[in-house]
Amino acid sequence: GEDVEQSLFLSVREGDSSVINCTYTDSSSTYLYWYKQEPGAGLQLLTYIFSNMDMKQDQRLTVLLNKKDKHLSLRIADTQTGDSAIYFCAEPYKAAGNKLTFGGGTRVLVKP
Amino acid sequence: DSGVTQTPKHLITATGQRVTLRCSPRSGDLSVYWYQQSLDQGLQFLIQYYNGEERAKGNILERFSAQQFPDLHSELNLSSLELGDSALYFCASSARLAGETQYFGPGTRLLVL
Repeated sequence: GEDVEQSLFLSVREGDSSVINCTYTDSSSTYLYWYKQEPGAGLQLLTYIFSNMDMKQDQRLTVLLNKKDKHLSLRIADTQTGDSAIYFCAEPYKAAGNKLTFGGGTRVLVKP
Repeated sequence: DSGVTQTPKHLITATGQRVTLRCSPRSGDLSVYWYQQSLDQGLQFLIQYYNGEERAKGNILERFSAQQFPDLHSELNLSSLELGDSALYFCASSARLAGETQYFGPGTRLLVL
């Protein structure tokens, strides 16, 4: 079945690193995604990782993938107040037209 | 800006009514997805169209229907609206049928009173 789990809430001080964790179930996924949703806004594609990679770095963002444990994480270095948002990990489900199954979202609050 | 547009941005209506939400995919994208975001259900996939044809169906109610037109824009029709249909409805598009990144529109916020 399809199930994506995330922790609900993360509070971090400005300048520190944030780590958001996610577990997924479909081991055949080619990609795994991170989306960001700011208050009252839509879903912004933040980054993604190919399933044959262990790590991807994109400026302040680092994605780590542990396929054995089906665990995905997103690290935000030097977290800024503008990073306060809800972060969703998402897994495409190939058997259903690549529809995305989302985790419940992790609300990140950055304190000055 | 993802390149996906949705109208209207906000919609307020009454129970029992019918509404139509519109989505224009990114230029060149053939695949359109509809998702619903509600407080109790989170983000749920509703339906996918590819080049005018329905390709995948999720937890979409029978009161809801969608279509994709020859110019590739899509409409989601919600009828006999109930209070519980109040949610944020997103459209996403991708280039091909599968294996492609989905880009989301800004959403339509529906409030049923």
